[in-house]
Amino acid sequence: DTGVSQDPRHKITKRGQNVTFRCDPISEHNRLYWYRQTLGQGPEFLTYFQNEAQLEKSRLLSDRFSAERPKGSFSTLEIQRTEQGDSAMYLCASSMYLETQYFGPGTRLLVL
Amino acid sequence: GENVEQHPSTLSVQEGDSAVIKCTYSDSASNYFPWYKQELGKRPQLIIDIRSNVGEKKDQRIAVTLNKTAKHFSLHITETQPEDSAVYFCAARNQAGTALIFGKGTTLSVSS
Repeated sequence: DTGVSQDPRHKITKRGQNVTFRCDPISEHNRLYWYRQTLGQGPEFLTYFQNEAQLEKSRLLSDRFSAERPKGSFSTLEIQRTEQGDSAMYLCASSMYLETQYFGPGTRLLVL
Repeated sequence: GENVEQHPSTLSVQEGDSAVIKCTYSDSASNYFPWYKQELGKRPQLIIDIRSNVGEKKDQRIAVTLNKTAKHFSLHITETQPEDSAVYFCAARNQAGTALIFGKGTTLSVSS
């Protein structure tokens, strides 16, 4: 499968713990995006990278969230000191510049 | 910032009928409008998109129309089939070419 992949697919954690998610984009894509989707809502933009540079962050991305794309390929999204409100589906997407954004299957996070 | 409103939130049709979903956007600089289909537990998948230099685009049973003056765009599905049942999201991207801003989604149910 040459599409966008995400790992893990599901994560259950206790409040206050740190979690890290990984996204592997389509190999030739230079842009990588993180979105968050809660039940009954559309995806909400969190941040995006062009190659290894993080070019934009949403105000939704509190200082407990950090994202990296160290070599311009895969990306990680870390949430520190998780809160129950962080429970959501975290979606990754990739594109070649302004072309179509292709989404991964998401990581579903449940914070107890 | 950009805001996208989507209506209706739910839509039920009989197999073979047409379905229309409407979206309005706020940023007049927006120039790209994709539509994604998301089946339960699956990733959002692009079904059709339109750029601001085009008023209408069609792909088999699916068409999208754009009215830049009124800042609204619509998805039209003809001859609906049960497998069209899903949540449909419209989105808009601004001229900066960063994030997609999504509507809240329309749950389409096609009964046979």
